[in-house]
Amino acid sequence: EPEVTQTPSHQVTQMGQEVILRCVPISNHLYFYWYRQILGQKVEFLVSFYNNEISEKSEIFDDQFSVERPDGSNFTLKIRSTKLEDSAMYFCASSAGTANTEAFFGQGTRLTVV
Amino acid sequence: AQSVTQLDSQVPVFEEAPVELRCNYSSSVSVYLFWYVQYPNQGLQLLLKYLSGSTLVESINGFEAEFNKSQTSFHLRKPSVHISDTAEYFCAVRGAGGSEKLVFGKGTKLTVNP
Repeated sequence: EPEVTQTPSHQVTQMGQEVILRCVPISNHLYFYWYRQILGQKVEFLVSFYNNEISEKSEIFDDQFSVERPDGSNFTLKIRSTKLEDSAMYFCASSAGTANTEAFFGQGTRLTVV
Repeated sequence: AQSVTQLDSQVPVFEEAPVELRCNYSSSVSVYLFWYVQYPNQGLQLLLKYLSGSTLVESINGFEAEFNKSQTSFHLRKPSVHISDTAEYFCAVRGAGGSEKLVFGKGTKLTVNP
């Protein structure tokens, strides 16, 4: 069964450092997403990406965040200068994008900023 | 804009007992509704979805949910739970047409005790 894969599973970084979280969406999917879940809180939408550009983003997704699809398979989330409050589980998801399809989620990357 | 309310943050039950996890939503447009499950140390997995048609939807492992438009609810039920159903359950909504993003509730942690 096709699945969304994320690497690494855990990442520890120092405050102020740049991190890149990587995702390989399901191959025939067209929409890609990043969500995050701060410990004990709800899963929050960050950004959606379609046709090589951001289609929607939340207030959380400020200038410190960026996304990229550098080749035909990877989808990355970059945080330029991490803050303590960026510590969270980051989920990548993908969907075929038609109205009657669901998003498939990866296992998540747990980011800890120290 | 959409929002989701899961009133119960924790639901402890005994094995083989019935369970209902409540979900209410608000939206100014028609919606698609989803339940995702997160087993310990794993990612989000789709449990079931309502897109259109029959308001009662079922999963392969015995869960069901009923879309009630007048009460804006999508409660999740199972007549007899197993230890292996212990997980966190997230209700999510997506507006029909336009935005592809999911809006999640805070989650309900279901603990099934022997």
